[in-house]
Amino acid sequence: QQQVKQSPQSLIVQKGGIPIINCAYENTAFDYFPWYQQFPGKGPALLIAIRPDVSEKKEGRFTISFNKSAKQFSLHIMDSQPGDSATYFCAAKDAGNMLTFGGGTRLMVKP
Amino acid sequence: GAVVSQHPSWVICKSGTSVKIECRSLDFQATTMFWYRQFPKQSLMLMATSNEGSKATYEQGVEKDKFLINHASLTLSTLTVTSAHPEDSSFYICSARTGTLYGYTFGSGTRLTVV
Repeated sequence: QQQVKQSPQSLIVQKGGIPIINCAYENTAFDYFPWYQQFPGKGPALLIAIRPDVSEKKEGRFTISFNKSAKQFSLHIMDSQPGDSATYFCAAKDAGNMLTFGGGTRLMVKP
Repeated sequence: GAVVSQHPSWVICKSGTSVKIECRSLDFQATTMFWYRQFPKQSLMLMATSNEGSKATYEQGVEKDKFLINHASLTLSTLTVTSAHPEDSSFYICSARTGTLYGYTFGSGTRLTVV
């Protein structure tokens, strides 16, 4: 069954902290793992993405760590800011080009 | 970058009426578009995949006669919610493959409220 399990459901950190969001999957045929940021009333926007042949990718303050053997990947947000407060979704793409989304994590960064 | 324009951003309609939501790719051709539904504080649920010039593929449990999808051109896909009922109230989001490697871009969403 194609599922992506995301945790935690919600997360509160202080400004400057490093929130970490985790995702796990079962389907080894997934070949692309993006992270999306969604603000209330808006569509998701791509933050960063990784392929399974890479263990880590960093873009600005966002880093994905990927553990292929464990079938897990995570998003780290360095030096988090109140403007990062949003809902974050991990996703995974299969060979049929369908995206399966995790359940989402509501992040609040306190000033 | 690739932009998907979705309209309207919000709509209120009466029960029993139909509502059309448009999704346009502005600077690229989208042979495949996806339609999602999102309930408050929940994840995106894929409703259907539309391919230009062919019938849409609906996910299990989605009524294709209720949610009509048309993808008549490489830049436009529409979702029509027919005979809308209050339980159809939701946030609808379209997405398109951009043509870049593994790239997807999303519309800004449509908040549908059926009264």
